[in-house]
Amino acid sequence: EVQLVESGGGLVQPGRSLRLSCAASGFTFDDYAMHWVRQAPGKGLEWVSGISWNSGSIGYADSVKGRFTISRDNAKNSLYLQMNSLRAEDTALYYCAKDFWSGLSAFDIWGQGTMVTVSS
Amino acid sequence: SYELTQPPSVSVSPGQTARITCSGDALPKKYPYWYQQKSGQAPVLVIYEDSKRPSGIPERFSGSSSGTMATLTISGAQVEDEADYYCYSTDSSGKGVFGGGTKLTVL
Repeated sequence: EVQLVESGGGLVQPGRSLRLSCAASGFTFDDYAMHWVRQAPGKGLEWVSGISWNSGSIGYADSVKGRFTISRDNAKNSLYLQMNSLRAEDTALYYCAKDFWSGLSAFDIWGQGTMVTVSS
Repeated sequence: SYELTQPPSVSVSPGQTARITCSGDALPKKYPYWYQQKSGQAPVLVIYEDSKRPSGIPERFSGSSSGTMATLTISGAQVEDEADYYCYSTDSSGKGVFGGGTKLTVL
C-alpha cells in the first residue's frame, strides 16, 4: 500500500524555522517527483514546492521562494521541507504528495498532513 | 501570476448532473487535474490529464476540456459527492497552480 506520512509540524514563533519530513512507503520512491501542498485553515489548496526524482528540477511558489527549501533523500525514502523566516501566513496544514511521473507534473497520492502554526 | 478560476459553489439535487468549470489561459497546453476534498480529509484525485479516471473512482465522474476551459462533470450526483473540488495545473514555468475550489452541494 502506498503511504505518505508527514511529521515535524508544530507551533513556532514568527521568524523562526521548522523542518517538515515525509516518509514514503509502498512504491519506488526514487522513480517519482514529490511535492508539498498546504492548506490554511478554512482556505483552499496551495502548491508550495516540487522536486523531481533526482532533485534536478525544483520549483517553488512565489510566496515561499527564498525562505523554503525542498529536498529529498532517496536512500531514506524521505522528502523534506526546510522552512525559514516563518510568517503568520504560513500557518497551514502541509501535505506531502507523490507525483505521477519522475518530473514535475501533478499528484496522485497525498499524505494526511502535518499542521504548522506560526504565532507568538 | 497564473490563475485558475472556478465558481465558488455549485448546487444540484441528487441524481442531477453537476458541472464544475475551471478556466485558465494555459489550459490548452497544460493538462488539468481534479481533486475532491471532503470535510476533514486529504484531497483525492478524481480526474487526471484532462479526462482520465483513476481506478476506484466511480464512472459518474468525467472530465473534458475545450480551449481555456476544463470541466468536471458528475453525472447523477450522489449525496456522498458533496465536497470541495479543486482543479490543478501548471504554468509555463512548471509551477503548480490550484483553482480557488468549488463547494458542491447535493441536496
